[in-house]
Amino acid sequence: GESVGLHLPTLSVQEGDNSIINCAYSNSASDYFIWYKQESGKGPQFIIDIRSNMDKRQGQRVTVLLNKTVKHLSLQIAATQPGDSAVYFCAEKVKTSYDKVIFGPGTSLSVIP
Amino acid sequence: EAGVAQSPRYKIIEKRQSVAFWCNPISGHATLYWYQQILGQGPKLLIQFQNNGVVDDSQLPKDRFSAERLKGVDSTLKIQPAKLEDSAVYLCASVTTDGDSGNEQFFGPGTRLTVL
Repeated sequence: GESVGLHLPTLSVQEGDNSIINCAYSNSASDYFIWYKQESGKGPQFIIDIRSNMDKRQGQRVTVLLNKTVKHLSLQIAATQPGDSAVYFCAEKVKTSYDKVIFGPGTSLSVIP
Repeated sequence: EAGVAQSPRYKIIEKRQSVAFWCNPISGHATLYWYQQILGQGPKLLIQFQNNGVVDDSQLPKDRFSAERLKGVDSTLKIQPAKLEDSAVYLCASVTTDGDSGNEQFFGPGTRLTVL
């Protein structure tokens, strides 16, 4: 989808609560979906990925859910901490003659202490 | 393991000037990406290299942007001449091509370009 320009979707959560960040994707041929975290002044950092033939994958404090029927991806962060404050991007990887990765517009997560 | 290195970290130029960015990927990573990230948006791929060959430059404004990776290791991205709308962070990333590990792109810190 198109980016939202300067107006990133923003999610504010209380420290200790769970966070859910959503992402819609467009390409049915994507074989992997990936979540990245970007802190201010830094490059994006890989969090977790999920293969298209799965519907759930868990990591440390994070869970990614994939609903291919509605082309929707979510990242759940358990017991959100101040260090989780960042912009989160979903990305889809399409296998063609090479691996093509397309980033979504991002969601800004703000954790309230 | 050293990460992806980029320089300079910041650059301020006037429109119509030229600028070059440098990236040194993680050793052994065959795939290298250059992204443009405008404030408030996700990274947009400019060019993707596999070793020293280009596999995707469909979104590179070729009238003003160029990139090379001559020995399949480090890479340079050049803008000539720069426009105001080129103000952005330019991110370099690299990835291994080993199976499922190839999903994790390692990003450098980026170069913040301001065009006045």
